[in-house]
Amino acid sequence: GESVGLHLPTLSVQEGDNSIINCAYSNSASDYFIWYKQESGKGPQFIIDIRSNMDKRQGQRVTVLLNKTVKHLSLQIAATQPGDSAVYFCAELGQAGTALIFGKGTTLSVSS
Amino acid sequence: DAGVIQSPRHEVTEMGQEVTLRCKPISGHNSLFWYRQTMMRGLELLIYFNNNVPIDDSGMPEDRFSAKMPNASFSTLKIQPSEPRDSAVYFCASRPDPTDTQYFGPGTRLTVL
Repeated sequence: GESVGLHLPTLSVQEGDNSIINCAYSNSASDYFIWYKQESGKGPQFIIDIRSNMDKRQGQRVTVLLNKTVKHLSLQIAATQPGDSAVYFCAELGQAGTALIFGKGTTLSVSS
Repeated sequence: DAGVIQSPRHEVTEMGQEVTLRCKPISGHNSLFWYRQTMMRGLELLIYFNNNVPIDDSGMPEDRFSAKMPNASFSTLKIQPSEPRDSAVYFCASRPDPTDTQYFGPGTRLTVL
């Protein structure tokens, strides 16, 4: 039969724009969430995290928002730069001591 | 800090051969994870260890795959015999404590011909 490749959601923005990448997580009991950035040929790199007792956390040019009611996580990147082009993954920790559960990823393309 | 170290970075082998991937976690980290990444399946957890003990190996595809962690600073993932469908990028990650994030190595790109 025909095989279907994994189609990652994509987001294309212009340099200088703000980017918003969204993620729906699965486990309402998860209490720790992380965003990773993966550039071509490299491993996933930690960007920012948030615990469930918070709904917003800011880093350098990045902000993570957590909506536990609808199990939604978002990553906002301010003044997006070409170097931000990568695949972005959200991850959740359902229980302390277990492994992170990763989302499928979103490809961000920044054009100058 | 050197980060998670993986070797080799690239491996090309023929079907049927044994392949061994190696990982050195970040010093002081007590959990280690092996992942496989492909375009078809994304990032899959294969196995993870806490304090050198395998906790969950339900992601290991089949008996051809085995992983060991003989001490806190070294782990191996072995495929014997290898098959073309094993071609993927294999990542190792480590974590300092059970409620913290995981830090990934650069990966080993495996090609089985």
